[in-house]
Amino acid sequence: VQLVQSGAEVKKPGASVKVSCKVSGYTLTKFSIHWVRQAPGKGLEWMGGFDPEDGERIYAQKFQGRVTMTEDTSTDTAYMELSSLRSEDTALYYCATGSWRLFDYWGQGTLVTVSS
Amino acid sequence: DIQMTQSPSSLSASVGDRVTITCRASQGIINYLAWYQQKPGKVPKLLIYAASTLQSGVPSRFSGSGSGADFTLTISSLQPEDVATYYCQKYNSAPWTFGQGTKVEIK
Repeated sequence: VQLVQSGAEVKKPGASVKVSCKVSGYTLTKFSIHWVRQAPGKGLEWMGGFDPEDGERIYAQKFQGRVTMTEDTSTDTAYMELSSLRSEDTALYYCATGSWRLFDYWGQGTLVTVSS
Repeated sequence: DIQMTQSPSSLSASVGDRVTITCRASQGIINYLAWYQQKPGKVPKLLIYAASTLQSGVPSRFSGSGSGADFTLTISSLQPEDVATYYCQKYNSAPWTFGQGTKVEIK
């Protein structure tokens, strides 16, 4: 199983960013994709993902209204779009997946820099 | 939401020492607790799930215990390659909250 993410992005405050996560070695319908971010020098922060138990996509309250996570099963690619970017959104964004609700596999991370 | 609190935030120990990291949930989560290891500049790696089950390929010097709200990660004999930040994470229900991390260094 491999997760390959899109390249680094530089965005201005107020803009949106869309990060992709191409999966190989399995099909998206089998596992759920989650997104985790890590600000420079900080810890891991769960943003949201698909819960296989409930069959629903769930977003962390902090990001509700600003984040949209989608999956294209025809290309086995997941996407995370974050809008109304601010400087505090500068971070490394990871996609992750695995068995049930665990994160066995991680993408390499996509650095998103928000700067005017 | 349930909060996850780790202690200590950082520690420094000698090679061969026994190291213990604690993770406390603000409410009971049964045993839906995972531990991740993140080495400097690397992607996080799943070490332990279900509070005490070692992920395949993880050295046996790592162990986890606990249930309900209190959990521990133990490294029985610290090795240089164990220098990393360790995170606990709850996964009983959303949100899948991480602890703030514990940085482990070699003295």
